[in-house]
Amino acid sequence: QSALIQPPSASGTPGQRVTISCSGSSSNIGSNFVYWYQQLPGMAPKLLIHTNTLRPSGVPDRFSASKSATSASLAISGLRSEDEADYYCATWDDSLSKVFGGGTKLTVL
Amino acid sequence: LQLQESGPGLVKPSETMSLTCTVSGGSISSSSKYWGWVRQPPGKGLEWIGSVSYSGSAYLSPSLKSRVTMSVDTSKNQFSLKVSSATAADTAVYYCARAGKEELRSEFDYWGQGTLVTVSS
Repeated sequence: QSALIQPPSASGTPGQRVTISCSGSSSNIGSNFVYWYQQLPGMAPKLLIHTNTLRPSGVPDRFSASKSATSASLAISGLRSEDEADYYCATWDDSLSKVFGGGTKLTVL
Repeated sequence: LQLQESGPGLVKPSETMSLTCTVSGGSISSSSKYWGWVRQPPGKGLEWIGSVSYSGSAYLSPSLKSRVTMSVDTSKNQFSLKVSSATAADTAVYYCARAGKEELRSEFDYWGQGTLVTVSS
């Protein structure tokens, strides 16, 4: 059981906006920054969002994120076929450990 | 910056698994950033194993710390992972990665391509 809870799957059609949730607790999301990673099939994870809402250089502004209390969410607007991937939220837990969500498999229909 | 994992792809149960991450395009000791290991069992999610500073201070996952050792070799621009008493549950793709900021809690902004380690007799 992951410390951060994500829905196992999400889907949308091209052009649509989809959101992926990430639920934690006061010891992790509630007191630390949240990060999001995208993992394309057969590839290493790629940093998508850091410091709750910031996009690294090169990440399209179709990707956005938010955080509220002990939850966070990732939004993808203008969905494209190449967005089909697994998405993971992550943060630090005050028990001295990095924690990841279980991952959400995004399918573009 | 590029990171590349290396090590045996097959380890026998009860033996020690050893992996090395070679960093190119930058120096491990050029900043106070942390270097970490993350693993992913086949078909499953990501799990943080631990992170190590350029000076060799290691911070390990509580669930693995009794079996894990991490070290840094700045002369070779490498950092390493050892997992003792390997079992089938340690079968996974192992990634090395670099923290984006000079703090342990930071995100990983650069990742290696990953290497599959299978624990089997």
